This record gives sequence, structure tokens and C-alpha cells, in this order.
Amino acid sequence: GIQVEQSPPDLILQEGANSTLRCNFSDSVNNLQWFHQNPWGQLINLFYIPSGTKQNGRLSATTVATERYSLLYISSSQTTDSGVYFCAVELNAGNMLTFGGGTRLMVKP
Amino acid sequence: DVKVTQSSRYLVKRTGEKVFLECVQDMDHENMFWYRQDPGLGLRLIYFSYDVKMKEKGDIPEGYSVSREKKERFSLILESASTNQTSMYLCASRSGQANQETQYFGPGTRLLVL
Repeated sequence: GIQVEQSPPDLILQEGANSTLRCNFSDSVNNLQWFHQNPWGQLINLFYIPSGTKQNGRLSATTVATERYSLLYISSSQTTDSGVYFCAVELNAGNMLTFGGGTRLMVKP
Repeated sequence: DVKVTQSSRYLVKRTGEKVFLECVQDMDHENMFWYRQDPGLGLRLIYFSYDVKMKEKGDIPEGYSVSREKKERFSLILESASTNQTSMYLCASRSGQANQETQYFGPGTRLLVL
């Protein structure tokens, strides 16, 4: 099956710092999503981004489908950004998402 | 906004009990999913359904069954709960239409089997 690898696995930032999270995947994909899982376990959609670039406030994401990677940028980080960030992809056939292992982010005040 | 709700946030059951986890979505989505999340193993798909009364096995269906009698409701059933089914269970839904592939998740159910 498709492999999804995220890096780094853990990240500690000082409030106000910027960061880049990476997601590599092993095959062509039909769908790529970024999620944030808050400390209470809720998975929140950040981006649906099978290709191109999107921005939403302090967050932006870029997917280069031909090179099989996606990047999530967090600027001016806040303590509320803490949690786990997941990348998930779907192959061209079927509706199942395959999740990466996540990046655990802690933003310190 | 899409809303996906799950019947319980926390649940404690005993080994051998039959357990029902309920999930309801309010956006008329065709597709619904059940995942479990475990430390070090990430999210793994148990079952999904692309229409009423339809179901497909995911990566780890053993020990589980599902029911989709109505479009908005997808139930996960543990016929005889075991301790290795202690986990966080997450339900999700998405539209079946092209270019609307975003999956939306419920708040999760933390199940403890004693």
C-alpha cells in the first residue's frame, strides 16, 4: 500500500516562531488533507490540497504532486497551535485515507 | 458547517460485552468511516460505507462489524469486547461528489475495556 511519512515527528517551538512540516508519499494521490488534532482528540480539517498552494490565516500548505510531497507552514505560532498534525492521502481509486504518523507540535509561551 | 457527532466521549465496558458506537452526520454525506487510533500506530481504518446498507472492510476489520440502516447514521459494533479493543474510535464522513473529498471527523470516543 501507499506509504505516508511525516517529518519531523516532534517539534518544540517558542511562541511567535515559524515552522514547516513535511509529508512525503510514495504514489500518485487523488486527495491530500492536512488535519490538526487538538489535545482533546478532535481532528480538525486544515486543508484539502491535492495540488497547489492554499492559505488560511497563519497557516498555508503547498503540495507538489509530481514530486510526491506536501508542506504545511505555520507562521507566528501560538500556544493553541499545539497538538498533532496529520497528513492523509487517498489513492486514485477508492475512498480510504491513509494517514501519516503525525508531527507532534508543542508551542511554549 | 458539517457536523459529525458520536454517541459517547468516554466509555468503559467489560470483556465480553457487546458494544455499540454510534455516529451521526448532518450533511447528507454518502461516505462514512470508522477509524481507531492507538499510540505509535496512528489512525487505522476499520470499516467504511459508501451508501445505505453498503459496507467495505478497511485495514483492521477483525472483531468489529458495522451497520448503516440510514444515510446519516453509521454504527460500529464490537460483538464481544476484548481488552485489545481499548482505543480511541473516530468516525468521519465525506461527500461522494467529485471535488468534495474532504473528510470530516467526529470528536472521538475513548473506549476502555476492562
